[in-house]
Amino acid sequence: EDQVTQSPEALRLQEGESSSLNCSYTVSGLRGLFWYRQDPGKGPEFLFTLYSAGEEKEKERLKATLTKKESFLHITAPKPEDSATYLCAVRYHNAGNMLTFGGGTRLMVKP
Amino acid sequence: DAMVIQNPRYQVTQFGKPVTLSCSQTLNHNVMYWYQQKSSQAPKLLFHYYDKDFNNEADTPDNFQSRRPNTSFCFLDIRSPGLGDAAMYLCATAGVGYNEQFFGPGTRLTVL
Repeated sequence: EDQVTQSPEALRLQEGESSSLNCSYTVSGLRGLFWYRQDPGKGPEFLFTLYSAGEEKEKERLKATLTKKESFLHITAPKPEDSATYLCAVRYHNAGNMLTFGGGTRLMVKP
Repeated sequence: DAMVIQNPRYQVTQFGKPVTLSCSQTLNHNVMYWYQQKSSQAPKLLFHYYDKDFNNEADTPDNFQSRRPNTSFCFLDIRSPGLGDAAMYLCATAGVGYNEQFFGPGTRLTVL
């Protein structure tokens, strides 16, 4: 069964304390892995798309990487405004335009 | 700026009273999606349109219907809302050949 699992479910960091969020997937025929940021009461905001193992994308304090089984979202020196839920989603072969979402990681960065 | 717009942002309805949520997009995307998201859960796909071609998820209740009168607009109709339908409803779009889905701000539905 195609699955997407994110860990940890929740993460509390001090401002400046770097860490990584994990997204593991067991889909066959990956067509893309997507990271979104979601603030409370708002829709998900697109961050990155990764297509193949070894690919990396960066945006400000965020860096996303991809292997054949998982993706990491690295947060370097986070600030309180990075607090949000980070969602991972995959598109796989035979799924058309459908995305399969993970459960998300709720990140809280304390000043 | 090109964007996905949802109205209203907050909707309160009574148990069993029909409600319609609206989504519009200026991205000229072919695909439009409706998701339901409950607290601390991932978005759950209800249905999507590829142009005018409607695709219903197998576990979407019959209580939920959708209309797409043109490329720009899509509506979600909940015929008889129950307490369990209280959630955030998200609209998203995607262009042909593009993988990314772009989400609107959502409509928070409360059922009294």
